[in-house]
Amino acid sequence: DVKVTQSSRYLVKRTGEKVFLECVQDMDHENMFWYRQDPGLGLRLIYFSYDVKMKEKGDIPEGYSVSREKKERFSLILESASTNQTSMYLCASRDTTGAQPQHFGDGTRLSIL
Amino acid sequence: AQSVAQPEDQVNVAEGNPLTVKCTYSVSGNPYLFWYVQYPNRGLQFLLKYITGDNLVKGSYGFEAEFNKSQTSFHLKKPSALVSDSALYFCAVIGPSSASKIIFGSGTRLSIRP
Repeated sequence: DVKVTQSSRYLVKRTGEKVFLECVQDMDHENMFWYRQDPGLGLRLIYFSYDVKMKEKGDIPEGYSVSREKKERFSLILESASTNQTSMYLCASRDTTGAQPQHFGDGTRLSIL
Repeated sequence: AQSVAQPEDQVNVAEGNPLTVKCTYSVSGNPYLFWYVQYPNRGLQFLLKYITGDNLVKGSYGFEAEFNKSQTSFHLKKPSALVSDSALYFCAVIGPSSASKIIFGSGTRLSIRP
């Protein structure tokens, strides 16, 4: 089974801090994704990556950046955390062969105080 | 542009009754369609997918979904609901190009009462 591991389940940070959310997958998937999930808004794509060192903006990239130095690891960075970035963050990976589903981590619930 | 709609925010069903969670989509060409389930404080779990072939697709936990091309729908169904089916359900679509992004619906909260 594919395993997508997010480094923290719960995280509390302060406004203005630089925050790193880490995600690791163990199936050699090319594609990796970061979403945030908010009540009533569903899943919104922040950034995705097709391969190592490649990244593309999703629907809501403002205030975020990403890093993919190794194929298995995709990091989301909040450059200067703000209270409106309090949310559930979900990482996913996907094999591009055929119509494969995404595989999700268990999420990081981030609170910015 | 690709889109997917889940018209119901919440569906309430009595245990033992059949359930349906609705999904409609808009995509150029033949779509790939997915259903996911999310339990509290967990990530999304893949339930089933439609690529081609038989319009009735069977998936995990006794769920199935029916692809209807003329109505551009992909409704999730189960003949007999369990209390443990209570969760948040997401429909998703991807276009036939491998470069297409996956688009998720807004989610439907399924509540099964004993």
